[in-house]
Amino acid sequence: NAGVIQTPRHKVTGKGQEATLWCEPISGHSAVFWYRQTIVQGLEFLTYFRNQAPIDDSGMPKERFSAQMPNQSHSTLKIQSTQPQDSAVYLCASSLDFGQGAETLYFGSGTRLTVL
Amino acid sequence: SQLAEENLWALSVHEGESVTVNCSYKTSITALQWYRQKSGEGPAQLILIRSNEREKRNGRLRATLDTSSQSSSLSITATRCEDTAVYFCAAASSGSWQLIFGSGTQLTVMP
Repeated sequence: NAGVIQTPRHKVTGKGQEATLWCEPISGHSAVFWYRQTIVQGLEFLTYFRNQAPIDDSGMPKERFSAQMPNQSHSTLKIQSTQPQDSAVYLCASSLDFGQGAETLYFGSGTRLTVL
Repeated sequence: SQLAEENLWALSVHEGESVTVNCSYKTSITALQWYRQKSGEGPAQLILIRSNEREKRNGRLRATLDTSSQSSSLSITATRCEDTAVYFCAAASSGSWQLIFGSGTQLTVMP
């Protein structure tokens, strides 16, 4: 079991460019989460899928950010027209299931996005 | 403000000493989780303690939960340099699935 795999580990984009981040959850896990981590804001929830269906995207910035889970083996987070304030570590996590805060989240190592 | 929050930004101890990280939370919760994040890695769960439990152990780690004061602690005994990391508490409000992380406590274990 390789754990949650995130690619790329580092991505540098110019302001206004698009960035796509990839996540491969642990096989058999039904829940996938995206978090963003910065020094100032800490770990912020972005969005959550359960059995590939989007359940809650309340943490996603309304513009420019979108997430998809086209199949059970991967999820993508896309940021259009990147801005310097989007620079952060984006973390993907999966869990066997998710029920009210009592499931273990398994995190990937993250993608460090730098927007110049 | 955060649902769960550690009480210190940073702690430092010498190898072999014991250390405790504290966390306070708001509202009723189903469980409280402790995670550790080492540099360059994602957070990794250490202990999950449910609201009907008062104490949970995992090797050198011991977590407590006090629902009356809405607080939790994570104690590490016989610390090692490799325990150097950021320690987070995380919780979801009862009835909610959304796991909210505190800001974290940076623990440094010195040789």
